[in-house]
Amino acid sequence: KAGVTQTPRYLIKTRGQQVTLSCSPISGHRSVSWYQQTPGQGLQFLFEYFSETQRNKGNFPGRFSGRQFSNSRSEMNVSTLELGDSALYLCASSPLSDSRETQYFGPGTRLLVL
Amino acid sequence: GENVEQHPSTLSVQEGDSAVIKCTYSDSASNYFPWYKQELGKRPQLIIDIRSNVGEKKDQRIAVTLNKTAKHFSLHITETQPEDSAVYFCAASKGYSTLTFGKGTMLLVSP
Repeated sequence: KAGVTQTPRYLIKTRGQQVTLSCSPISGHRSVSWYQQTPGQGLQFLFEYFSETQRNKGNFPGRFSGRQFSNSRSEMNVSTLELGDSALYLCASSPLSDSRETQYFGPGTRLLVL
Repeated sequence: GENVEQHPSTLSVQEGDSAVIKCTYSDSASNYFPWYKQELGKRPQLIIDIRSNVGEKKDQRIAVTLNKTAKHFSLHITETQPEDSAVYFCAASKGYSTLTFGKGTMLLVSP
């Protein structure tokens, strides 16, 4: 099976702009989780989607949002970008929305905000 | 919410030595504990995991132990090799597919 894919891989934006990132899970996986990775804060959970519904949300401002489509592909959106949003954004997929399921990560989208 | 502490932050060993990385978690409801290896510029890759109904799990040179009473779990790598050099993350999960990660351990294995 093909692994988790993310597009784009690299992105440069300026403060105040918005950005949309895309994640395609492993075929058959219905849960998609998003994480932000920075040198200072490490890997932090953003949100999780299962069957087009947000199941869980991390401690991030409302500028961060997401959605999931009927084919399980997911997008996340960040509005009014700030310098501190520069990070590697990783998505992970698993078959079900269950804590005991293994999550498989995509290669990430590296976002640089200038 | 859940909090995961990971130690040490850096670990240097000689090739052939053993390496141990320790994590503690705060929420006794956590029931799944994976370990990920992340090489520079690459995605995190699962190397081993353990569920709360098991105390120990081994896969070749890698083992994980879980002490639910003390709320800590550890990664053991034996006969380390230079290709084991990477950042290792522990994580804990409960409820939905939500991982709370430790801050990571940079492991350097010198030939």
